[in-house]
Amino acid sequence: GAVVSQHPSRVICKSGTSVKIECRSLDFQATTMFWYRQFPKKSLMLMATSNEGSKATYEQGVEKDKFLINHASLTLSTLTVTSAHPEDSSFYICSAREPSGKVTYNEQFFGPGTRLTVL
Amino acid sequence: KNQVEQSPQSLIILEGKNCTLQCNYTVSPFSNLRWYKQDTGRGPVSLTIMTFSENTKSNGRYTATLDADTKQSSLHITASQLSDSASYICVAGRAAGNKLTFGGGTRVLVKP
Repeated sequence: GAVVSQHPSRVICKSGTSVKIECRSLDFQATTMFWYRQFPKKSLMLMATSNEGSKATYEQGVEKDKFLINHASLTLSTLTVTSAHPEDSSFYICSAREPSGKVTYNEQFFGPGTRLTVL
Repeated sequence: KNQVEQSPQSLIILEGKNCTLQCNYTVSPFSNLRWYKQDTGRGPVSLTIMTFSENTKSNGRYTATLDADTKQSSLHITASQLSDSASYICVAGRAAGNKLTFGGGTRVLVKP
């Protein structure tokens, strides 16, 4: 199956700094990528939909100025957590949808996740 | 409201035994039902995907069923192995906007 990578896998930062997380589709082109957040023992919550070449679409309650998303190419989307605070500590997961995939399924392939800890 | 509920929240089973996880969904317009396995600290990995016209789909020792009339799905794990210890997430895909609605997951612990 298609492979999605994330970098870094873990990051620890000081409060007030910004952190960038990369999501790459390694063997396919993805016009659409998704960013999720997951709290311990909870399921994934969609934060935003990242579209190549256009602005991201944010879910209700997600601050777009706080979580900056850039989908500059068909294989790379980045999520920047700006002025991070301890409450931003979480597990961030991206997924990518293959444009030539089965339309019926709209298959999404998930990255391995990035654990962010803000001190 | 689009919603996916799973039960039980967690279960413990002995290695070699079978178990069945349940999922009820309310999403509209419904497109497909997915089961993912998520190991601790990792991203979800797809196990099965079914459209409303499919009743069952297998992936090795994992067998998913779907009843689109009652909006229920199940995931059956046969002859469990220690490596099956993980969270299993039921996800309903909507036809509009390609959005996914995630269940809370069932945490399975397989003991030797």
